[in-house]
Amino acid sequence: SQELEQSPQSLIVQEGKNLTINCTSSKTLYGLYWYKQKYGEGLIFLMMLQKGGEEKSHEKITAKLDEKKQQSSLHITASQPSHAGIYLCGAAEMITASKLTFGTGTRLQVTL
Amino acid sequence: DAGVTQSPTHLIKTRGQQVTLRCSPKSGHDTVSWYQQALGQGPQFIFQYYEEEERQRGNFPDRFSGHQFPNYSSELNVNALLLGDSALYLCASSQQGGLDIQYFGAGTRLSVL
Repeated sequence: SQELEQSPQSLIVQEGKNLTINCTSSKTLYGLYWYKQKYGEGLIFLMMLQKGGEEKSHEKITAKLDEKKQQSSLHITASQPSHAGIYLCGAAEMITASKLTFGTGTRLQVTL
Repeated sequence: DAGVTQSPTHLIKTRGQQVTLRCSPKSGHDTVSWYQQALGQGPQFIFQYYEEEERQRGNFPDRFSGHQFPNYSSELNVNALLLGDSALYLCASSQQGGLDIQYFGAGTRLSVL
């Protein structure tokens, strides 16, 4: 079965600093999803990547999928307290997405 | 446009009891997936329902069962509760076919004592 490894597990950054979270898969990714979760709450969809080399941006968050489709990164520019939370990457194992496999998450704290 | 709604938000049960969790999908969605998220872990796929049938199942015992109704809403039932069933249960809805985005509800926090 597919496994996703996220790094780092936790991150503390000062407001205004940039940061990057990585997600590595043991298998080829058909679809890679990034979600954000506030502690104990539901997941908020951020972005989905499908094609090798694809890059998407929304506000100050940019996600990339490498050419081999086995690694993705999430980059936050000029972090703000509102960016704090748990970032989860999820992967679809097949072209017809049903089951998503998730990493264990990266906990981000943004200090003032 | 209402998103995915789950009820109840919190639930406390004792070992051996049975529990039913409910989910209403986002408007226009016909597929419901259920996930279990233990503390400090990523969500684990339980099963998915489409056209009132279980389409795919994760590595969970038969104590976990579900149902989907004609209006696409869904229930998750867990029998003979164990302490290890304590977790956040998340429902996600999507449209069947292709790599559609799964939208999640706020979850139901189940505590088994």
